[in-house]
Amino acid sequence: GAVVSQHPSWVICKSGTSVKIECRSLDFQATTMFWYRQFPKQSLMLMATSNEGSKATYEQGVEKDKFLINHASLTLSTLTVTSAHPEDSSFYICSAITGYHNEQFFGPGTRLTVL
Amino acid sequence: GQNIDQPTEMTATEGAIVQINCTYQTSGFNGLFWYQQHAGEAPTFLSYNVLDGLEEKGRFSSFLSRSKGYSYLLLKELQMKDSASYLCAVRHTGRRALTFGSGTRLQVQP
Repeated sequence: GAVVSQHPSWVICKSGTSVKIECRSLDFQATTMFWYRQFPKQSLMLMATSNEGSKATYEQGVEKDKFLINHASLTLSTLTVTSAHPEDSSFYICSAITGYHNEQFFGPGTRLTVL
Repeated sequence: GQNIDQPTEMTATEGAIVQINCTYQTSGFNGLFWYQQHAGEAPTFLSYNVLDGLEEKGRFSSFLSRSKGYSYLLLKELQMKDSASYLCAVRHTGRRALTFGSGTRLQVQP
């Protein structure tokens, strides 16, 4: 099956710093990638849709200047949390789809803790 | 918009059968997905329904009724490892992203 990786799997940073999270499709080309955020005991909330070679589409309430998304190739999307604050601490999960599958393939997630 | 409802928690016994229900409201339906998520891990795909009826895959089955905005996930021969959260997600017409329900935490007891 299709494999999606994320790096890092966890990160701890100081308030005010920026953190970059990578999402890679390892054995397929992802026309579209999605970034979700999940707080403890809550469901996944879509943050943005990332299409290769174009600007990301952000969901209502998600600050695009704070959560920078770059989808430079068909196998890589990055999410940068700029000037992170403790309230940004969460589980960030990416997913990818191709033109051939109906299901989304999820990465293993990145747990961000901002001190 | 989309509104997805599923029970918050369920408890079942090892070896038994459990049904997790999901109701949704959407102005444009284009598929319903079920995912399993263990604590601290990413969701894993279980099933996909876009037409009415039952889809069976081993111990797991999923049912859809589009006219009723209703789906269920049926787990048979429950095992302890089935203890997890089960997420119902709907794809809206014209969007490739999914909208997830709040998830149902299933606890399987011996």
